[in-house]
Amino acid sequence: ETGVTQTPRHLVMGMTNKKSLKCEQHLGHNAMYWYKQSAKKPLELMFVYSLEERVENNSVPSRFSPECPNSSHLFLHLHTLQPEDSALYLCASSQVQDQRGGADTQYFGPGTRLTVL
Amino acid sequence: KQEVTQIPAALSVPEGENLVLNCSFTDSAIYNLQWFRQDPGKGLTSLLLIQSSQREQTSGRLNASLDKSSGRSTLYIAASQPGDSATYLCAVLMDSNYQLIWGAGTKLIIKP
Repeated sequence: ETGVTQTPRHLVMGMTNKKSLKCEQHLGHNAMYWYKQSAKKPLELMFVYSLEERVENNSVPSRFSPECPNSSHLFLHLHTLQPEDSALYLCASSQVQDQRGGADTQYFGPGTRLTVL
Repeated sequence: KQEVTQIPAALSVPEGENLVLNCSFTDSAIYNLQWFRQDPGKGLTSLLLIQSSQREQTSGRLNASLDKSSGRSTLYIAASQPGDSATYLCAVLMDSNYQLIWGAGTKLIIKP
C-alpha cells in the first residue's frame, strides 16, 4: 500500500449504529487530519493530530470521536449520527515542523462515502 | 474570518481551449495557497503550491498565480484535454494557525 488509504470506501448506517472509519498513511508523516465534505460546500476541517496529539477540534459534535494511536493510523468513531452527517469523509496527512501544523502540502485518501439513514 | 471564493462554480469548454479558474480570499495573512484536483468519488490531489512570497508556480500545462495584496489567485490551464475534467479546489493555509481554508471548488468539464 502506498499513500493514504481509507476503509471502508462506502458506509451506510442507521442513526443508532456505532461504526468507525479508518485511515492509514504510508508516507512517514507526523500529522493527520479528518475533513468532512458535503455537497457543494467547502471542506470542513474536523480534527488535526500533530505528533500524535490532538491540536485542533473545530467544535465538531461529540457524536464524532477521533482516535490516533500512532502517527500512521487515524480513526473516526461514529455513534448516534444524524442524516445531515451524510457526507464524504476525507483523511489527509502531512509532515509538520511544529505543533501547529506546519506548512507542507497535505496528501489525501480517497475518502469514505457515509450515508446515515 | 477567512473566506475563500471560487468563480465560476462550474465551467464547460471544448477541448483545446485555454482557460482560467479564479480564487479569491478575504484575509491576506496567508502562509501559502494551494490548488487541488478532485476526481468524482475520489480524494484530492495537490497540483500547485504557492508560498506567500511567490508570485506564480508552473507544472506542465498548469500555471498558478498569486496576488496576495489583492487576495486573488488564478489557475491557468493551457490546451485543455478531456482528462482535465474534474473539480478544482483552492485552499489557503493561514499564517496564524496553519489551518487550510477551502473554496467550494470549480467543476470543470472539457468536451471532446
